[in-house]
Amino acid sequence: SQTIHQWPATLVQPVGSPLSLECTVEGTSNPNLYWYRQAAGRGLQLLFYSVGIGQISSEVPQNLSASRPQDRQFILSSKKLLLSDSGFYLCAWSPRGTGSSGANVLTFGAGSRLTVL
Amino acid sequence: AQSVTQLGSHVSVSEGALVLLRCNYSSSVPPYLFWYVQYPNQGLQLLLKYTSAATLVKGINGFEAEFKKSETSFHLTKPSAHMSDAAEYFCAVSEMNTGFQKLVFGTGTRLLVSP
Repeated sequence: SQTIHQWPATLVQPVGSPLSLECTVEGTSNPNLYWYRQAAGRGLQLLFYSVGIGQISSEVPQNLSASRPQDRQFILSSKKLLLSDSGFYLCAWSPRGTGSSGANVLTFGAGSRLTVL
Repeated sequence: AQSVTQLGSHVSVSEGALVLLRCNYSSSVPPYLFWYVQYPNQGLQLLLKYTSAATLVKGINGFEAEFKKSETSFHLTKPSAHMSDAAEYFCAVSEMNTGFQKLVFGTGTRLLVSP
């Protein structure tokens, strides 16, 4: 079966420090990968998605970047954190192709809570 | 572009009462619709999805949702609330017939269940 791992689970960082959140998927090949951010009272915002190694699409301009160095690894980074980067970051994956239903169903990791002070 | 509106950031019910969480969508093409549940400090778990096969969709934990095109709605219901249903619920939409389906989420509804 497929599993998705995110770490670290919690992180407290000072303003201006770098960030690296990592996500890996097991039990599948060629997944689509996603980073979402959940800010209090604002739902989930899609930050980046990737359909393959080195292929990154950014949904919103921001202080963050993403990379996909391996097929099942997705990394969220920042060179200098801002207070506004605080939030709960969720990685997700979906199968390449949509299967018999036609729908792109996402499976989420447990999340990483980032607090920037 | 597609969007989702969830009416009510908080819904309170008593244990055993009907649960109704509202979701209205906007989409220029036939949509796929989803409900996800999030327990505190956890990721999201898929409750159910609508993919045009049937308008009444049954999901896990006794939840179901009905797709109503005329009302552009996909409300989530459960006949009898349980304490373990207390969580945040997200409605989401993606569009059929697009090259890459991006999921757009609502702002969520927190369900509170009292004894």
